[in-house]
Amino acid sequence: AQSVTQPDIHITVSEGASLELRCNYSYGATPYLFWYVQSPGQGLQLLLKYFSGDTLVQGIKGFEAEFKRSQSSFNLRKPSVHWSDAAEYFCAVGDNYGQNFVFGPGTRLSVLP
Amino acid sequence: DARVTQTPRHKVTEMGQEVTMRCQPILGHNTVFWYRQTMMQGLELLAYFRNRAPLDDSGMPKDRFSAEMPDATLATLKIQPSEPRDSAVYFCASGLVSGANVLTFGAGSRLTVL
Repeated sequence: AQSVTQPDIHITVSEGASLELRCNYSYGATPYLFWYVQSPGQGLQLLLKYFSGDTLVQGIKGFEAEFKRSQSSFNLRKPSVHWSDAAEYFCAVGDNYGQNFVFGPGTRLSVLP
Repeated sequence: DARVTQTPRHKVTEMGQEVTMRCQPILGHNTVFWYRQTMMQGLELLAYFRNRAPLDDSGMPKDRFSAEMPDATLATLKIQPSEPRDSAVYFCASGLVSGANVLTFGAGSRLTVL
């Protein structure tokens, strides 16, 4: 069965610092990979997705993620964090039939002024 | 922007009462998911519909939960009778199966069962 792990439960960074959130997945076929962000009291918003092609994908709000098949990873990065980026971040894996969609446990990001 | 609409946004009820949560998926989307989010369990998949047919509801307690799609514009999640352990935020998400399923989430329904 597919699974997603996010090793970091909570990360704190200073505003302006770089950020990397880790995501590892287990999936038997070609994965479709996603990062979602959830602000307090809100639903989940899609940041970016990987289906195929270039392994470095760009998303909204200045985020990017890199798919590394050899490491089964899809880490999320941002070169300079803004205070408004404080939120919960979820990595997810799915398939092309839309049925097997699994979320990781999430990483909570705090940003220091 | 097209959005998934969930009602109610907040619901406080007493144990034993029936609760119905509604979801209007994005027009044209053919998949609907119901998730439950709690601090302890994170995001749990409750049910999944494709073209209004339930394909997976293995995550749902069958004795008290039921999910339906009476038409393409409405999905419902019902709890009867409700229990305090059902207190959570319930999210509906819709998507379109066309190569890959990108989900759009609603804002959620926060349920408190006293």
